[in-house]
Amino acid sequence: DARVTQTPRHKVTEMGQEVTMRCQPILGHNTVFWYRQTMMQGLELLAYFRNRAPLDDSGMPKDRFSAEMPDATLATLKIQPSEPRDSAVYFCASGPTVNTDTQYFGPGTRLTVL
Amino acid sequence: AQKVTQAQTEISVVEKEDVTLDCVYETRDTTYYLFWYKQPPSGELVFLIRRNSFDEQNEISGRYSWNFQKSTSSFNFTITASQVVDSAVYFCALKEDQAGTALIFGKGTTLSVSS
Repeated sequence: DARVTQTPRHKVTEMGQEVTMRCQPILGHNTVFWYRQTMMQGLELLAYFRNRAPLDDSGMPKDRFSAEMPDATLATLKIQPSEPRDSAVYFCASGPTVNTDTQYFGPGTRLTVL
Repeated sequence: AQKVTQAQTEISVVEKEDVTLDCVYETRDTTYYLFWYKQPPSGELVFLIRRNSFDEQNEISGRYSWNFQKSTSSFNFTITASQVVDSAVYFCALKEDQAGTALIFGKGTTLSVSS
């Protein structure tokens, strides 16, 4: 049963600290997405990759957020420095690169910045 | 611009009642894809269904059914004989016809089923 995995599942940190979230997409999926879920904004896209190349990161605050895919089995989302308004659930999703691609979501990382 | 509206923020029903979750979308694309996801209290997002814009056949899967009407830009989701385990937040989403593009989500409808 192939699944997207994310680590850590929960993270509590203090303002100003660096946070790194990791995602392992489903094997064979070559599109990876990062979404953020908050009560106010709902689910919003932060960035996504196709074949490890970043395609769109317009939803991401560039000054503090960065997303990378060092290899096909790992995607990372980093926040440096973190702020209380970054508190949210961060989801990673992966899918095959076809027009009808269904995205499968990981369990999410619940981030709390104090 | 693409947009998904789920006008019902919260719905409460009693077990065995039927319930319909509404989804209205906006897009200028002639080909697009619609999705429903379920988010139970545990927090994960579970894929339920994908629909292509050129296929308006309604679909039934067990107690779940989906009514896609292009004329009204709606993709409604009905749960028949609801159960407590159906309690979750349900999201409708839209995707354009291009490989690897992101989903546009509605705000979600919180369904509470009581026994």
